[in-house]
Amino acid sequence: QVQLQESGPGLVKPSGTLSLTCVVSGGSISSSHWWSWVRQSPGKGLEWIAEISHTGSTYYNPSLENRATISIDKSTNQLSLRLTSVIDADTAVYYCVREQWLDIWGQGTMVTVSS
Amino acid sequence: DIVMTQSPATLSVSPGDRATLSCRASQSVINYLAWYQQKPGQAPRLLIYGASTRATGVPARFSGSGSGTDFTLTISSLQSEDFAVYYCQHYYYWPRTFGRGTKLEMK
Repeated sequence: QVQLQESGPGLVKPSGTLSLTCVVSGGSISSSHWWSWVRQSPGKGLEWIAEISHTGSTYYNPSLENRATISIDKSTNQLSLRLTSVIDADTAVYYCVREQWLDIWGQGTMVTVSS
Repeated sequence: DIVMTQSPATLSVSPGDRATLSCRASQSVINYLAWYQQKPGQAPRLLIYGASTRATGVPARFSGSGSGTDFTLTISSLQSEDFAVYYCQHYYYWPRTFGRGTKLEMK
């Protein structure tokens, strides 16, 4: 079955850029699915970050103020997220997820923003 | 943005009892509503989508209902493994938003 595995830097300095990847295994990222990033700050609830459709259309949470970029690499079957100008509030567990109704989740990768 | 309001914030229920969790949207989301279960240290798990369709492998004791702005997740007979935090989320439009969650704790 389809599995998702996120990876990231673990620690990012304030004002820096966060880059995350998610490897999709057991299925093609090019199939007719949507892909998303969702995050969860320590002890807090869930926040939707961005979504990309199977046709390449992208959608972002306005709360991120144009700092996020979601993309797909069909050659490596990977989903990516880039978040610029990071601040303390970006400290969270970041999940990659399939579909608009978020049916398959990765295990998440913790990112801490700190100098 | 559509605001999702879940109630109660915490629900204390005994094993074997019925639990009813509520989710209200600030405007209609038709039936583009999903429910998730999250246990400590784990990723959320999809339980219900389309307001009432159980995801693959979800036990029949979980059921969802509602449309428009008011939705309910019902767990008919609580098992020990059901004590967790439950979130609702709409996917009617962008941005997708989640409720703040209902913590289901053992009484």
